[in-house]
Formats: sequence, structure tokens, C-alpha cells
Amino acid sequence: GDSVTQMEGPVTLSEEAFLTINCTYTATGYPSLFWYVQYPGEGLQLLLKATKADDKGSNKGFEATYRKETTSFHLEKGSVQVSDSAVYFCALMGGEGSTLGRLYFGRGTQLTVWP
Amino acid sequence: DVKVTQSSRYLVKRTGEKVFLECVQDMDHENMFWYRQDPGLGLRLIYFSYDVKMKEKGDIPEGYSVSREKKERFSLILESASTNQTSMYLCASSWGQVINTGELFFGEGSRLTVL
Repeated sequence: GDSVTQMEGPVTLSEEAFLTINCTYTATGYPSLFWYVQYPGEGLQLLLKATKADDKGSNKGFEATYRKETTSFHLEKGSVQVSDSAVYFCALMGGEGSTLGRLYFGRGTQLTVWP
Repeated sequence: DVKVTQSSRYLVKRTGEKVFLECVQDMDHENMFWYRQDPGLGLRLIYFSYDVKMKEKGDIPEGYSVSREKKERFSLILESASTNQTSMYLCASSWGQVINTGELFFGEGSRLTVL
């Protein structure tokens, strides 16, 4: 079935460091891929998404490219800030034949950025 | 802005009690979801609903039931709470199949402790 595997945390970085959080997926067909972020004390919110191979999603300085050949959707940011400290979830919505609207989430990666 | 409101941020209940978690959304979304979030396990889908009076089991429905009598409201019911149901519960909503973008809108969560 559809599933997502993401890098285990926690990840601790200094401000302005480069961030990568790895995410790989298993799915039939052509899924859509997402990164969600959960700031302390809040619910999840969509950070970025990509709906087809080679698409790049971007938002708030974060980027992720949909790589079908490696079934990956790694999250990157060139220079993290303290305010980026949060839990990041990779997610997948299945393609044709799957349950539309249902997302499969990874286990989440806690990011802490120190000043 | 889309708003998903969960009735209680924190609840403490005793083993065997019946527990109701309420969720209301104000964007006329067709789809509504209940997830539980546990450290190291990420988000796991309990139940979801595509329309009024419709419900579908997710990955971990045992010990839970749901009710959707009105489009805007989706309730999660623990018939007889147990200590292993201590968790953070997240409600989410999204557009229906016709215009589904895969974006879920989450509430802030309800942290339930069962003693």
C-alpha cells in the first residue's frame, strides 16, 4: 500500500545552517506529495506540495523536488532560522485508484534551531 | 481563513468513561478526518467521512466510533476510554473529490489523558 518513510529525528542545527530532511515514498500510480509543518502548540499546516514528477514545491525558503526515479521528496532550506523550529511531516496522496483526499503521513521529524 | 475548531484542548478522563471529541469546520468542506498523534508514530488515521452520515474506517478504528450528523461537525467517540488511548487527537477537513487539492486544514488538537 501507499506509505511514506522520513528521516528520524531529532535534528538540531545552528541558525543559518543548511537543512535537509529526507523523505521517500511507496505508491502505485502517480501520487501527489506534501510537506506539512507543526509549530509548537499548533495543528499541522501545509508547507509545500508537488503534484507530478520533477515539480518543485517551495514556500518560506523551503524547497522539495518530486523525484519519481528515486521515489523521493526531500525537504531543503539553505539557511534555517530559530523560527523554523517545528515538527515536519512528509505526506502522500495516492494517485488514480486510491482513496482521493486521504493522506498518508510519515512519522515526523523534530527540528530545533539554536541561535 | 479556514477554521477548524476542536472543542477541548485538554481533557482528563478516567478509564471506562465515555469521551466525546467535537470538531467543527466553517468552510463547507466535504471531507473530515480524525487522526491521533503519538511520539515516534506520527499521525495515524482513525476515521474519515466524505459526506454527512458517511464514515470510513482508517488504520486504527478499534475502540473508536464517529458521528457526522451535520456537514460542519465531525465527532469522535471513545465508548469506554482506556489508558492506551491517551494521546493527541487532531481533526482535519478538506475539499471533496471534485476539487480536492490534497490540502488538509487541521485543528489545534485535543490532548486526552486517560487515568
